[in-house]
Amino acid sequence: QVTLKESGPGILQPSQTLSLTCTFSGFSLSTYGMGVGWIRQPSGKGLEWLANIWWDDDKYYNPSLKNRLTISKDTSNNQAFLKITNVDTADTATYYCARLAYLGGYFDYWGQGVMVTVSS
Amino acid sequence: DIQMTQSPSVLSASVGDRVTLNCKASQNINKYLNWYQQKLGEAPKLLIYNTNNLQTGIPSRFSGSGSGTDFTLTISSLQPEDFATYFCFQHNSWPGTFGGGTKLELK
Repeated sequence: QVTLKESGPGILQPSQTLSLTCTFSGFSLSTYGMGVGWIRQPSGKGLEWLANIWWDDDKYYNPSLKNRLTISKDTSNNQAFLKITNVDTADTATYYCARLAYLGGYFDYWGQGVMVTVSS
Repeated sequence: DIQMTQSPSVLSASVGDRVTLNCKASQNINKYLNWYQQKLGEAPKLLIYNTNNLQTGIPSRFSGSGSGTDFTLTISSLQPEDFATYFCFQHNSWPGTFGGGTKLELK
């Protein structure tokens, strides 16, 4: 059974760095073909893909935020991470991590999401 | 970036209706189009991958079709649990992009 769960700070101030953790089970990021991505959704709005990381440590970033994003993984502990630097109110959203289907580019299992508010 | 446009943005329908949701890409995305269902306060759920492949556990009343730039999701007979928002997502080229969503509401 594949499960993912996100965790984060809840609230942070503008200019700070947002650190998110995705803890998953039912698959391994050391297995050939597997990957994890991050997607966010402002309240009442659509979905925005942020970044992917693959089993071989290949990484993809959304160019619109590329300079602010860092994705990483800890295969021993079945975790993936996302950092967003210099946040502002526009980064307020629910952040999801999701598994990338085997050698596929789509997300087949999602976490429940974690809400992040950026406010002074 | 490839732009994904969904129509209609809101669709009113009744239980038992057959409905079709549309998704149009700004350029050719081959078959790499997926459909997700999202209920209020929940994470998106994968329904259809690569245009017409039903994800495991999804009822057969959901089906997908299309190619190139135009894609559809069809629900053959609406059930009460199907009222939700539906998003399409293309992964033909990165950045992957989502459509703005179609909210399926009870008439």
